[in-house]
Amino acid sequence: AQTVTQSQPEMSVQEAETVTLSCTYDTSESDYYLFWYKQPPSRQMILVIRQEAYKQQNATENRFSVNFQKAAKSFSLKISDSQLGDAAMYFCAYRRTGNQFYFGTGTSLTVIP
Amino acid sequence: DVKVTQSSRYLVKRTGEKVFLECVQDMDHENMFWYRQDPGLGLRLIYFSYDVKMKEKGDIPEGYSVSREKKERFSLILESASTNQTSMYLCASSLTPGDGMNTEAFFGQGTRLTVV
Repeated sequence: AQTVTQSQPEMSVQEAETVTLSCTYDTSESDYYLFWYKQPPSRQMILVIRQEAYKQQNATENRFSVNFQKAAKSFSLKISDSQLGDAAMYFCAYRRTGNQFYFGTGTSLTVIP
Repeated sequence: DVKVTQSSRYLVKRTGEKVFLECVQDMDHENMFWYRQDPGLGLRLIYFSYDVKMKEKGDIPEGYSVSREKKERFSLILESASTNQTSMYLCASSLTPGDGMNTEAFFGQGTRLTVV
């Protein structure tokens, strides 16, 4: 079974600084998708960024970027210029070419003013 | 925008009651999912459905059943609610990879269920 591991239950960052959230996954597949989701206190899960495994280039969305290391099965999220609104629970997720998504246990990010 | 709507944000039920959690999506997605979210455990898949009347068990199906009579609606049923089913329940929908670029899951706002 596929597993997704987020080894940092909690992280904190000073406003305007950069923080990196870690994620590793276990799979024997070569074709799959990876995601980072944000869940603020409102509970609404929001997609932050997506990476297709066949793409070597790391995905970027404004202040959010990933470091995708396929051989190491690592998919970390970097948040630059952190803002108070970035405070949330962040979930890493894996999806193979079938239908199921697999989620990590989450990292709670605190942004310190 | 894709919209996934769960029928209730908060629900309080008594032990032994039959509970229905409803989820509706408006983007013609073939896949729908029910997750349970507990602190420190992340999201755990209860059931998913890849087509009308089709369903597959996820990682924690015990004590739950589902129904998908129409493509846009996916219901989670707790046949006899117990206190250990107190949790946050999230519904999601998605396309199947290969159907298009949007491979991600779209989530509802969650239902916090308390069983007393």
